[in-house]
Amino acid sequence: KNQVEQSPQSLIILEGKNCTLQCNYTVSPFSNLRWYKQDTGRGPVSLTIMTFSENTKSNGRYTATLDADTKQSSLHITASQLSDSASYICVVSGGTGFQKLVFGTGTRLLVSP
Amino acid sequence: EPEVTQTPSHQVTQMGQEVILRCVPISNHLYFYWYRQILGQKVEFLVSFYNNEISEKSEIFDDQFSVERPDGSNFTLKIRSTKLEDSAMYFCASSFGSGLNQPQHFGDGTRLSIL
Repeated sequence: KNQVEQSPQSLIILEGKNCTLQCNYTVSPFSNLRWYKQDTGRGPVSLTIMTFSENTKSNGRYTATLDADTKQSSLHITASQLSDSASYICVVSGGTGFQKLVFGTGTRLLVSP
Repeated sequence: EPEVTQTPSHQVTQMGQEVILRCVPISNHLYFYWYRQILGQKVEFLVSFYNNEISEKSEIFDDQFSVERPDGSNFTLKIRSTKLEDSAMYFCASSFGSGLNQPQHFGDGTRLSIL
């Protein structure tokens, strides 16, 4: 069964600190892996998209890594800001043709002043 | 920056009634999607739509659900006879293409409450 698991479930860090969120998946075949940020009450916003051949991609203070062999990804947030408080969702696209995204349950991040 | 807009933001409906959720995708996008998120659970794919027809649908998208692009701008999700378990946040998304690096742009969702 196609699944995406994320850890930790929730995380509290101090403003200015770094953190790393983890994602493991069993989706097959694999098309791409995305990280989304979802603020409370809002729709998900795309942070990064990585294909099979990419093992790192950055978007400002966000850096995602992908190990397609071990089926693991991480999202590293550098110098966290209060506005980084949100849920971060790992999403894996499997199969051919149109995108069918399998969502993880997300990591809820709280950045504390 | 162009956005996907959804209306209404909150819909309250009696069980058994029909409900239509509306979405205006980004104007030059060609691929459209509906997702739902039951409170406290993960987002789930419902359906994808391209060239005026459904291209993929999940097991959740049964005969009670239908989608339509009635004109050049709107994309709707209809639930024919709502059930209590249909209560969820429904997200519309669109993308320019279906390629590997095409991001999907999400609206802020419609919260559907079935009484």
